[in-house]
Parts: sequence; C-alpha cells; structure tokens
Amino acid sequence: SAVISQKPSRDICQRGTSLTIQCQVDSQVTMMFWYRQQPGQSLTLIATANQGSEATYESGFVIDKFPISRPNLTFSTLTVSNMSPEDSSIYLCSVRTGEETQYFGPGTRLLVL
Amino acid sequence: ELKVEQNPLFLSMQEGKNYTIYCNYSTTSDRLYWYRQDPGKSLESLFVLLSNGAVKQEGRLMASLDTKARLSTLHITAAVHDLSATYFCAAAQGGSEKLVFGKGTKLTVNP
Repeated sequence: SAVISQKPSRDICQRGTSLTIQCQVDSQVTMMFWYRQQPGQSLTLIATANQGSEATYESGFVIDKFPISRPNLTFSTLTVSNMSPEDSSIYLCSVRTGEETQYFGPGTRLLVL
Repeated sequence: ELKVEQNPLFLSMQEGKNYTIYCNYSTTSDRLYWYRQDPGKSLESLFVLLSNGAVKQEGRLMASLDTKARLSTLHITAAVHDLSATYFCAAAQGGSEKLVFGKGTKLTVNP
C-alpha cells in the first residue's frame, strides 16, 4: 500500500493568482498522477509526472496553466496558474505501487473567487 | 480512445435489497478498478480486476469482470445504510497507467 499526503488540504484563492499543491508519498514510485475532480463530477487525468523528465499532459491541459515538478521519487507539485473560478475543483495526486492498486491522496479542495 | 460508462448514475435503494451497478468500457483494458468516495473525502480503493472472469468480494460488495463483453459489475447484497456513497469504476488505458473514470454512481440506501 501507499500513504499519500497533500498540502494544502483546502484553500480559497483570488482569481489571477497561483497555487502550488504538494504531494508526498511514503515510498518511492516511478510515476505520479494528478487528477482534477470538478464539483459533482468524475475524475479527469491532468498529467503524469515521471522523475527526471517532463510531465506528460492530457488533452485539454497545458504546462503553462498546470506546471508540474517531480524532483524525486516521493514528491511532486502541481501549480494551478492564473486561476479563474472555473479552476475550482478537487485536485488529487495518485500513485501505483508494486501492487496493482492505484492509490489516491486526500485531495486539495480549491475555491477560486 | 477509451471511454467508460456507468449506470445507473443515481441509485436509491432500501436496506436489505440487492442491486447491481454496471460499468462498460469501449476498448481493451488490462485493469478495471472500483472505488468508493464519501462526501468530502478522497477515493477508497475497493477492487482491482485483472483478468477475464475475475470475481472479488468484500463484505456485501462483489465485483466481476467480463473482458469479452468489456463489462464489469459491482453487486450489492442486502444493502445497509453505511454503503451510501458514490462508486466509481475506472479502466486502465491499454498498456499505460492512465485511468479513465466513469461518471460515478451515487448510491443512497434508505432505512
């Protein structure tokens, strides 16, 4: 199993500002994933973050808006840049360990005013 | 492109009854996941199904996978109020780690 922590757990931000979300895992993992869950909706993958290489973004998500860092095998950050109210969501990081299950962090609840 | 459809999206049932949630996916996938999400919480892993005919059970929940039909089911037996939550299925994009989620089934179990 994997224990994943995220910071902050929630935040309220003004439009036009940026927020960096941290994700820490208790074991080394090759890939970390960032998902977005808009209010009342399902989860959508934003990007996959590999250590030592640039993140791979899904269609509809771009690096300028969601820059990602992956400095080591247990940590990643996602920045939500130049925020608008449409960015209000839950942002979750996830990992897949040597087992088959993919685990999710507790999420960061973001409200943009 | 892999697409995942769940139905029903909303399910209200009485305690003690049985019901099944269906999850169809559009292209080959080598892993099928079921998650539970309580309001304001993250996702809790319930099952991962890896092969055709796989069946897993935990308490009142049983999940199965038919890869030929591209269908997974989550069967609820003798529902209790504590099972009230939103249930998501997710399929792994063939050959990758990327998960594509269904829209979720919001289950309410009434006394």
